[in-house]
Amino acid sequence: DTGVSQNPRHKITKRGQNVTFRCDPISEHNRLYWYRQTLGQGPEFLTYFQNEAQLEKSRLLSDRFSAERPKGSFSTLEIQRTEQGDSAMYLCASSSSGGLYEQYFGPGTRLTVT
Amino acid sequence: GNSVTQMEGPVTLSEEAFLTINCTYTATGYPSLFWYVQYPGEGLQLLLKATKADDKGSNKGFEATYRKETTSFHLEKGSVQVSDSAVYFCARLTGSSNTGKLIFGQGTTLQVKP
Repeated sequence: DTGVSQNPRHKITKRGQNVTFRCDPISEHNRLYWYRQTLGQGPEFLTYFQNEAQLEKSRLLSDRFSAERPKGSFSTLEIQRTEQGDSAMYLCASSSSGGLYEQYFGPGTRLTVT
Repeated sequence: GNSVTQMEGPVTLSEEAFLTINCTYTATGYPSLFWYVQYPGEGLQLLLKATKADDKGSNKGFEATYRKETTSFHLEKGSVQVSDSAVYFCARLTGSSNTGKLIFGQGTTLQVKP
């Protein structure tokens, strides 16, 4: 069990560019979550998947954001036409669908939009 | 509504002091409750959990008791160490049958001085 991994760990981009982040969950976990965390705040839910199905999206997720989990394993989060307000830490978590649904978090991808 | 409220930080203590970080929640029903810890430069780690009223979660000397009467889940430790310096987040599950996302408090920074 290598835990949840995320790539890249850091991303600096210019306003208006597109960025894509990847999350690899714990292998036996079929649920995958994306959160966003800004400085001094707790994480805020963005979206989650059970297997390849995207079951819920937050209102925080504007049309510029899209997430996929095509084979029910890794997931990608894409932000189109980035804005400075998108600068944040993007966290991925995974859990199994049995038991307590404990979520285990990756190290996050820190996005800076200049 | 559905929210989690934590005491504001930073909390600054001397080594071996007693720690309490307050957390209260609003919810319909009895959601599962969690404490996560974020050490400097690292991702969120699950510290402890409780699934029903009067449950006590414990780990690494930390404890928290699920109090439905006061809708609280305060984190306590009898003797803190410098290595406990981190940001602590209280969270609750939301969604039907606890199958949904986590709602986090804003986090409380703990600084332990030798």
